[in-house]
Amino acid sequence: AQSVTQLGSHVSVSEGALVLLRCNYSSSVPPYLFWYVQYPNQGLQLLLKYTSAATLVKGINGFEAEFKKSETSFHLTKPSAHMSDAAEYFCAVTSTGNQFYFGTGTSLTVIP
Amino acid sequence: GAGVSQSPSNKVTEKGKDVELRCDPISGHTALYWYRQSLGQGLEFLIYFQGNSAPDKSGLPSDRFSAERTGGSVSTLTIQRTQQEDSAVYLCASSFGSSSWFNEQFFGPGTRLTVL
Repeated sequence: AQSVTQLGSHVSVSEGALVLLRCNYSSSVPPYLFWYVQYPNQGLQLLLKYTSAATLVKGINGFEAEFKKSETSFHLTKPSAHMSDAAEYFCAVTSTGNQFYFGTGTSLTVIP
Repeated sequence: GAGVSQSPSNKVTEKGKDVELRCDPISGHTALYWYRQSLGQGLEFLIYFQGNSAPDKSGLPSDRFSAERTGGSVSTLTIQRTQQEDSAVYLCASSFGSSSWFNEQFFGPGTRLTVL
């Protein structure tokens, strides 16, 4: 069975501060990991994905995530938060491409 | 079309009624997914279609739920004898290619279902 856990359903950061959104996964087989973002009143869109190539993955809008097998983690970071980063962020895992398992999401608030 | 579309955007129904939710994927996308997003929950996988292969129905929560995909394009999710716990946002996504996990899933705006 596979699952992801997102620690912190709500995260607040000041504009310009580091963004760190946590994701830990559980998988008995090599996982493929994803981060999606959902802006208010919009559909989910892909931020970045890990597919067993480089462990440090760069995505859109300055976000990146590092796959750490020893820690079963795939945390999302951005050096400097912008107001436009306020959104809901979802981590997801799959091993087959059929079933994707999503976390419960982290709502990011950026304080001016 | 330009993106994945879903209809209706909102549906209010009475307990015990049947509902049909529609998804129009991006033209040429062979993979189609249905998810359910309940309040405070993550996305729950329901069903996956890939080309003409038999769908992966392992995420459907009960036999009241069914889905079909006609002609490899439009998909309909049907919920029979709706219950209040079926209230959620139902999301559809499509992607291109047989190696779906390498390809981005494009999500529709969802259908918000409310069962009274």
